[in-house]
Amino acid sequence: DTAVSQTPKYLVTQMGNDKSIKCEQNLGHDTMYWYKQDSKKFLKIMFSYNNKELIINETVPNRFSPKSPDKAHLNLHINSLELGDSAVYFCASSQVEGIFETQYFGPGTRLLVL
Amino acid sequence: KNQVEQSPQSLIILEGKNCTLQCNYTVSPFSNLRWYKQDTGRGPVSLTIMTFSENTKSNGRYTATLDADTKQSSLHITASQLSDSASYICVANTGTASKLTFGTGTRLQVTL
Repeated sequence: DTAVSQTPKYLVTQMGNDKSIKCEQNLGHDTMYWYKQDSKKFLKIMFSYNNKELIINETVPNRFSPKSPDKAHLNLHINSLELGDSAVYFCASSQVEGIFETQYFGPGTRLLVL
Repeated sequence: KNQVEQSPQSLIILEGKNCTLQCNYTVSPFSNLRWYKQDTGRGPVSLTIMTFSENTKSNGRYTATLDADTKQSSLHITASQLSDSASYICVANTGTASKLTFGTGTRLQVTL
């Protein structure tokens, strides 16, 4: 299947722990993103990478560190997890189609910090 | 401040009925507006995208309208099906990915 995939799908962990979420896309896109969707279903961009280079970093605590080993992967590492980090994290990749940039989202990782 | 507001927050309709979802946006500069469908437990999927010069665009049973003067958009769903049950998110764009402004969505439930 051609798609954006994320692992794990669910993540339950204690406050203070460090965890990673992985994302892979086999769509051949150059740009990848991490979004956070809070309990009110509001989606907010966190990071964007283009060809392994960070191009967007939107006021995210430095406990969050993205890593892109190659342009098909964008992982998210979170240090010292806090209760407020509980949310659904979506990875996305994008390509320009005509004059528009279309984003394709992964299925999400549901993070619950206890 | 860039903002997107959607209404209603949630909606329940009978299968086969039509419905219209509303989106008001305050985004400057404005480049385009996109409607996404997000099924429960899934990521958003793009339904349609419109620039300021487009008034209406259809994608099957989905028809989006855009009034760039009043900064309003609507998504009309015709002959609803159970599979239309999802959240519908309106996203206004200034032209770069970092300037996407998401609405909180309308939760639609289609019942028998």
